[in-house]
Amino acid sequence: SQKIEQNSEALNIQEGKTATLTCNYTNYSPAYLQWYRQDPGRGPVFLLLIRENEKEKRKERLKVTFDTTLKQSLFHITASQPADSATYLCAGGSNYQLIWGAGTKLIIKP
Amino acid sequence: GAGVSQSPSNKVTEKGKDVELRCDPISGHTALYWYRQRLGQGLEFLIYFQGNSAPDKSGLPSDRFSAERTGESVSTLTIQRTQQEDSAVYLCASSPGGRGLEEKLFFGSGTQLSVL
Repeated sequence: SQKIEQNSEALNIQEGKTATLTCNYTNYSPAYLQWYRQDPGRGPVFLLLIRENEKEKRKERLKVTFDTTLKQSLFHITASQPADSATYLCAGGSNYQLIWGAGTKLIIKP
Repeated sequence: GAGVSQSPSNKVTEKGKDVELRCDPISGHTALYWYRQRLGQGLEFLIYFQGNSAPDKSGLPSDRFSAERTGESVSTLTIQRTQQEDSAVYLCASSPGGRGLEEKLFFGSGTQLSVL
């Protein structure tokens, strides 16, 4: 079945360092990937979208890559801050239907 | 409104009872989605509405689940004869619609449903 897999273990990063989260997809080829941030008790909030023909996208301290050979997207937060602590969700689709990963919890320690 | 609004935020019910969850999308958004989020799992697609087109109900897990949308506004998700496995957060999202591709979703804060 079509799957999006994200590291289920929490990622602990020291403030100021770069956090890198991984999203792997299997059994399908999404035309685009989206990344969302989710805080406890809240709905996901859209961060970035990258298409299959794009290698890299940037937005302020955020960078996302899309490697169709590895079937993987990497999400980077540079100069991380405690306020970046949240769960980050990856979702991939080719139309309105998105397959979602379970998310990776990121903890930025001061 | 400024964002997607869902009510109630929390619902505790007894097994076998019916529940109704409400979603008010962003004004002007023609696309509306319902998702289910279980602890430690990815969002599970339930149903998709786009304008006046027939909804995509392919994600509804059983005939106990149904959803309606009035025009391009409010949507209600109904779960009949609730079971304990229905306990989850139910998220509603809307998007401007029309293209059906690549659109970013705007989510409500969800309804936490607990079936005792």
